Parts: sequence; structure tokens; C-alpha cells
Amino acid sequence: DAGITQSPRHKVTETGTPVTLRCHQTENHRYMYWYRQDPGHGLRLIHYSYGVKDTDKGEVSDGYSVSRSKTEDFLLTLESATSSQTSVYFCAIRGPSYEQYFGPGTRLTVT
Amino acid sequence: AQRVTQPEKLLSVFKGAPVELKCNYSYSGSPELFWYVQYSRQRLQLLLRHISRESIKGFTADLNKGETSFHLKKPFAQEEDSAMYYCALNAGGTSYGKLTFGQGTILTVHP
Repeated sequence: DAGITQSPRHKVTETGTPVTLRCHQTENHRYMYWYRQDPGHGLRLIHYSYGVKDTDKGEVSDGYSVSRSKTEDFLLTLESATSSQTSVYFCAIRGPSYEQYFGPGTRLTVT
Repeated sequence: AQRVTQPEKLLSVFKGAPVELKCNYSYSGSPELFWYVQYSRQRLQLLLRHISRESIKGFTADLNKGETSFHLKKPFAQEEDSAMYYCALNAGGTSYGKLTFGQGTILTVHP
């Protein structure tokens, strides 16, 4: 599993509340990614990081922000959760040959 | 911009039958291509990468640059192959290792 964990694994929150998801890795990987998984859309990149404090937007970044203050942690924040952000969120790291390894996922429900 | 298309959302076969999951891509350069598998409610796992030309769990995939395809094949499907399968592309270069995913194909192998 490439030493990747995510927390929480499940969360139910109300519309308008802020939510932070955490991705933690133990193998000092430089590149980290946040995806959301939705039926009919596959996985879509939200944000990615190429180093500490180096982040950039993916294809579906609206309503999301990220931070990476240390190598091992990559945080995804929903500033004001909406029902359209109900999804399964996956964190990933990049391996040596451009492959990615994924965390176990966080199932988020916004009511 | 690159794109990955998996034309079949659902694919059903019987145990012992051959199976082929289609993947087509659009990219002007030389891509890195991958197949990922996701068993029910689990994390995505790397199944194959085109550069290694390996066979994992009996699956193979050949990159056809002329047809811009990377179809996944197995000669004799097993019930435990039932899962979601994603094809993914990395554009290389300065893409920061970002992957573009297809929409996924749900494979069901009936006994």
C-alpha cells in the first residue's frame, strides 16, 4: 500500500461547513495527488503537489484548497461543503515510473 | 490535452470466457499507459504498465500506437476478476506525473 493512509475514512457533514481530509505517507515521496471518484466520471484530479509548499490545481479544483507544510502530509480542505462534493476522495503518490499508488479513500457525504 | 476513453461502462462474461476491456487514448506525444483495478470498496491497485510488458493475474495489455489503444485482455476470466478497471495515461515531460483516467469499466464474471 506504499505507506499511504487517509483520515477520516468516513465523514458525514452538513452543507456549508468546512471539512479537511488528510493524506499521510511514510516513504518520503515528492509528488502527491488528490482525486475524487464519481460514477460515470472515473477519477478526476483536484489538486496535486510537487514538493513542500508547492501545489497546483487539477481539473476540478473549484471549492477545494490544499496545503503541504511537510513532505508526509497533504491536506485537502473543502472551505464550505456542498452536496455536489459528496464523493469518495483518494490520495495518491507517484512512484518511480510515473505510476501512482493510492490510499484507501475517504467517503464524504454532505447533507 | 490528453484524453482516455473506455467505451464500455459495463462488461459481463462467463467464467472461463475471454475478456477484453477497451481503452483508447488521444495524445500527440509518447504516453505512459497504465491499467488499475479496484475491487469492491477498496483502493485502486496498479495492475499493468505498458513499459514493463508484464502479465499480472493473467492479464496482458499491448500498446498500439497506430490505433492509439491499450486494451486489457485475459484469455480465461475468473470470478475474482470482477471489479472496476481504469485505464490511465501519463503525458510525461513536465506533467508532474499527473494521470488522466478513463471513466472505468465494471467487469462482472458470472459463474
